[in-house]
Amino acid sequence: ELQLLESGGGLVQPGGSLRLSCTASGFPFSSYGMAWVRQAPGKGLEFVSIITNTGGTTYYTDSVKGRFTISRDNSKNTLFLQMNSLRAEDSAVYYCARRGRTKAEKWFDPWGQGTLVTVSS
Amino acid sequence: QSVLTQPPSVSGAPGQRVTISCAGSSSNIGAGYDVHWYRHLPGTAPKLLIYRNINRPSGVPDRFSASKSGTSAALAITGLQAEDEADYYCQSYDSSLSGSPYVFGTGTKVTVL
Repeated sequence: ELQLLESGGGLVQPGGSLRLSCTASGFPFSSYGMAWVRQAPGKGLEFVSIITNTGGTTYYTDSVKGRFTISRDNSKNTLFLQMNSLRAEDSAVYYCARRGRTKAEKWFDPWGQGTLVTVSS
Repeated sequence: QSVLTQPPSVSGAPGQRVTISCAGSSSNIGAGYDVHWYRHLPGTAPKLLIYRNINRPSGVPDRFSASKSGTSAALAITGLQAEDEADYYCQSYDSSLSGSPYVFGTGTKVTVL
């Protein structure tokens, strides 16, 4: 069964840091690009970051560039999101999602259940 | 800020047909990039409903169909059921130099009356 399980969310003060993890199972993790997508309270889905299967290429939405870093450990089937200099507007449920096997397959399936990040003093 | 625009809400009685529009631009849908659709109940994992404009993953009922034309796309739900109440999002790829390469729609809440 395909499964993605996020962890690492929590309450952090503005300016603080968190590291999210996403552990994958049920598919060859090292063959797929992986992404983080978030949903702020009362808002829609927002793309955050993506990393290719080898980790060689990454993309970020403008609002997190220079503050967030996506990475992966293919030996442990795990995706990470290091979040620094957190702001109140980063508060959201963070989902990890698998992109298609090839660059042409630009959809996300499956998704994890999400982990809640709250940035507040 | 989403670059794909959807109506905030649509509603219908059980058994009826509803459609959700997704309006893009020449840098995303109009550039030929595919549109994908997801169903999401807050607090749960979003689920892929349609990929590559018209294709349903296995297990998605044929009550769900989609289309794409020009700079827009649409999702249709026929034979509306109570379990269809959820938020629906379109998603595409954007070739603009600024912003995210992957873009989601603003989301549409479907209510079954």
